[in-house]
Amino acid sequence: EDQVTQSPEALRLQEGESSSLNCSYTVSGLRGLFWYRQDPGKGPEFLFTLYSAGEEKEKERLKATLTKKESFLHITAPKPEDSATYLCAVLSSNTGKLIFGQGTTLQVKP
Amino acid sequence: SQTIHQWPATLVQPVGSPLSLECTVEGTSNPNLYWYRQAAGRGLQLLFYSVGIGQISSEVPQNLSASRPQDRQFILSSKKLLLSDSGFYLCAWSVRGKPQHFGDGTRLSIL
Repeated sequence: EDQVTQSPEALRLQEGESSSLNCSYTVSGLRGLFWYRQDPGKGPEFLFTLYSAGEEKEKERLKATLTKKESFLHITAPKPEDSATYLCAVLSSNTGKLIFGQGTTLQVKP
Repeated sequence: SQTIHQWPATLVQPVGSPLSLECTVEGTSNPNLYWYRQAAGRGLQLLFYSVGIGQISSEVPQNLSASRPQDRQFILSSKKLLLSDSGFYLCAWSVRGKPQHFGDGTRLSIL
């Protein structure tokens, strides 16, 4: 069964304190792994797509990496405006469906 | 550039009343369209998707239905709402092989 598990569920950081969010997945044929950012009361906003193990993508203070079993979203020197819920999703080549994890809620305190 | 619109942003409805949520996409043709529901503290659950006008696939048996009367219009409906239909409803679009992009959602509360 296709499954995505994100950890931790919640993360509190001080401004400038770097950390990583984890996304573990099992999928019958990976067509892509996606990271989204979701602010309260809003829809998810697309951040990155990763297609194969070893691939990395960067955007400002965020860097996403991919292995055959998991992805990490590294946050370097976060700022309060990085506070949000980060969602990971995998696209199954078997079903063509996007499977979402439960998300990690990040709070960055000044 | 492509944009997606959902309305209304919030809705409070009594049990047993009908529902119609609308989603439209601009700036692209023949998109794949999706309806998701997000319960508090949980991931997104795919409800319906459509690859073309009049083509609807249902993922979860439930009290809801979807229709696609035009290429860039997707409607979520119910004849009689249940308490369990409360939640945050999201519409999304994609083109083949590309990421899905989401609207800002409708917060539905059933009383």
